[in-house]
Amino acid sequence: EVKLVESGGGLVQPGGSLRLSCAASGFSFSSYWMHWVRQAPGKGLVWVSRVSKDGSTTNYADSVKGRFTISRDNAKNTLFLQMDSLSAEDTAEYYCARINSDDALDLWGQGTMVTVSS
Amino acid sequence: QSVLTQTPSASGTPGQRVIISCSGSDSNIGSNTVNWYQHLPGTTPKLLIYSIDQRPSGVPDRFSGSKSGTSASLAISDLQSADEADYYCSTWDDSLFVWVFGGGTRLTVL
Repeated sequence: EVKLVESGGGLVQPGGSLRLSCAASGFSFSSYWMHWVRQAPGKGLVWVSRVSKDGSTTNYADSVKGRFTISRDNAKNTLFLQMDSLSAEDTAEYYCARINSDDALDLWGQGTMVTVSS
Repeated sequence: QSVLTQTPSASGTPGQRVIISCSGSDSNIGSNTVNWYQHLPGTTPKLLIYSIDQRPSGVPDRFSGSKSGTSASLAISDLQSADEADYYCSTWDDSLFVWVFGGGTRLTVL
């Protein structure tokens, strides 16, 4: 089965760190750019970051630049999002997603919730 | 404030046709392809339309997309109660060098 499964979410204090993981299965993980998208409670989808197939190229939304780091381990078919200096504005459901050759996010994980609160 | 502007809400009765619009600029919709995603409450987002007007396998032909200049539209015909969801447009922005989503349109089937 082709799927993405996120993990690593939870409750963290402001200023803290969290590392999200996204395990891919059922497809050739190393053949795809991968993305993170988040949705704050009651808000819309917001793009967070992307990483190239080999991990050499990364891009970030301005809101997370300098605080979040996207990476991947193709040997383990896993995508990561290291989140530092977290604030309440980072509270959201975080989704990993695969982008296909038509530049569309065609496969999404079920999401992992991150709550930043004291 | 999203780079892409969508009307926050839309509604229709079963069987009707509704159109959801997405307004952008030359650096995003004006020069790139547009995708649409459907997000039902409690579920994961789903790709609905890609490359402006293409439907992934399994998406009914009741859903169609179009683009004109710096705006894109999603049309849903023969509206059904199962279509109640949030709909998002998305594209790449050449100036910001980021992917962008619209703010989303919540569709209610009356």
